[in-house]
Amino acid sequence: AQTVTQSQPEMSVQEAETVTLSCTYDTSESDYYLFWYKQPPSRQMILVIRQEAYKQQNATENRFSVNFQKAAKSFSLKISDSQLGDAAMYFCALWGIQGAQKLVFGQGTRLTINP
Amino acid sequence: NAGVTQTPKFRVLKTGQSMTLLCAQDMNHEYMYWYRQDPGMGLRLIHYSVGEGTTAKGEVPDGYNVSRLKKQNFLLGLESAAPSQTSVYFCASSYSPRGPSTDTQYFGPGTRLTVL
Repeated sequence: AQTVTQSQPEMSVQEAETVTLSCTYDTSESDYYLFWYKQPPSRQMILVIRQEAYKQQNATENRFSVNFQKAAKSFSLKISDSQLGDAAMYFCALWGIQGAQKLVFGQGTRLTINP
Repeated sequence: NAGVTQTPKFRVLKTGQSMTLLCAQDMNHEYMYWYRQDPGMGLRLIHYSVGEGTTAKGEVPDGYNVSRLKKQNFLLGLESAAPSQTSVYFCASSYSPRGPSTDTQYFGPGTRLTVL
């Protein structure tokens, strides 16, 4: 079975500072993708960043970057220069390639940006 | 190009009533999914489809049925609604999980369902 765990139900950060959201996962598959999705109050699920497990280089998308530690099964999201629009629920998700064709989500972390 | 759309956006049912949620995508995606989102539990997969005419059970399929008669549509049915099915339902689609590295799941805006 595949599992994703987000141990931080809530996080807060001052505007313009950096925050890191944690995610750990478990899977028996060797080939998989990892994702961070953002869900603002509008409920829309928005892809923030993705990482292929076979790539050692950490993915980066503008102010968003990940720290992918494959051996430790850890996949954290770093948001630099936090902006008010970054306030949302953030979900970590795992997608195994060989097994069941589905995304497995963590419980989510609610991020608050303090002005 | 509307992406993934869901109908309706909100619905209130009484226990025992039935309804169908419609998901439509215009991206020619093969794979479609139905998730439910409950507080503190993230999204959980209900059913999914790997192509027209095929469906499969996900993590929490009980009390739901699905159909994929057309490639662009994926229907989620509740035959006899129960209060435990009060949730926000999301549809998603993707080209293929074995697709190029840029592939991912695209989500609809969600449907908030309340069962009294």
